[in-house]
Amino acid sequence: NAGVTQTPKFQVLKTGQSMTLQCAQDMNHNSMYWYRQDPGMGLRLIYYSASEGTTDKGEVPNGYNVSRLNKREFSLRLESAAPSQTSVYFCASRGGLAGDMFGPGTRLLVL
Amino acid sequence: AQSVTQLGSHVSVSEGALVLLRCNYSSSVPPYLFWYVQYPNQGLQLLLKYTSAATLVKGINGFEAEFKKSETSFHLTKPSAHMSDAAEYFCAVSEWGGSQGNLIFGKGTKLSVKP
Repeated sequence: NAGVTQTPKFQVLKTGQSMTLQCAQDMNHNSMYWYRQDPGMGLRLIYYSASEGTTDKGEVPNGYNVSRLNKREFSLRLESAAPSQTSVYFCASRGGLAGDMFGPGTRLLVL
Repeated sequence: AQSVTQLGSHVSVSEGALVLLRCNYSSSVPPYLFWYVQYPNQGLQLLLKYTSAATLVKGINGFEAEFKKSETSFHLTKPSAHMSDAAEYFCAVSEWGGSQGNLIFGKGTKLSVKP
């Protein structure tokens, strides 16, 4: 039981490059989330998926797209990376009242 | 809209001293409230949660929090700090109350523990 896994752990991109952040959970949770964490800003929700086949925008969706590939997997895509997207990205999933389970994060640097 | 305010971005205590991290919330519906801890270079781990049962909630690692509706507060405490408690702590409230909706996070409080 690995919980929530994220790949890659670290990534350096040049401005304008694209990449996909992968997230998977093995807890059979319905809801999954993508957050970004910036110093002094706490966590801000980018996109979420309440169930397989649905996705919705969060607080800061601009510049991102998501895909809920199946119940286990929820990916985040940056089509044209910008320096403002330098951040730590966390995926999370929710199972009832247990609280959200977070992955270890992906550190992204956009030059 | 629901919101969370954490007072103090940095708190420093001596080992063995009381830890008190403050969280105030704003919610138009009965809230569910959470405290998470983040150790350096790791993800967030759930410390404890309030889900409208007992107002005093006990969590992992000796932490507890008390829900005070009259003060709209959910402060996190630990009687005696340990060096291993050094981390960043986040308070969160459910967006629509109860277990519904996304989590709204505070900006975090970084706890330092001095030997």
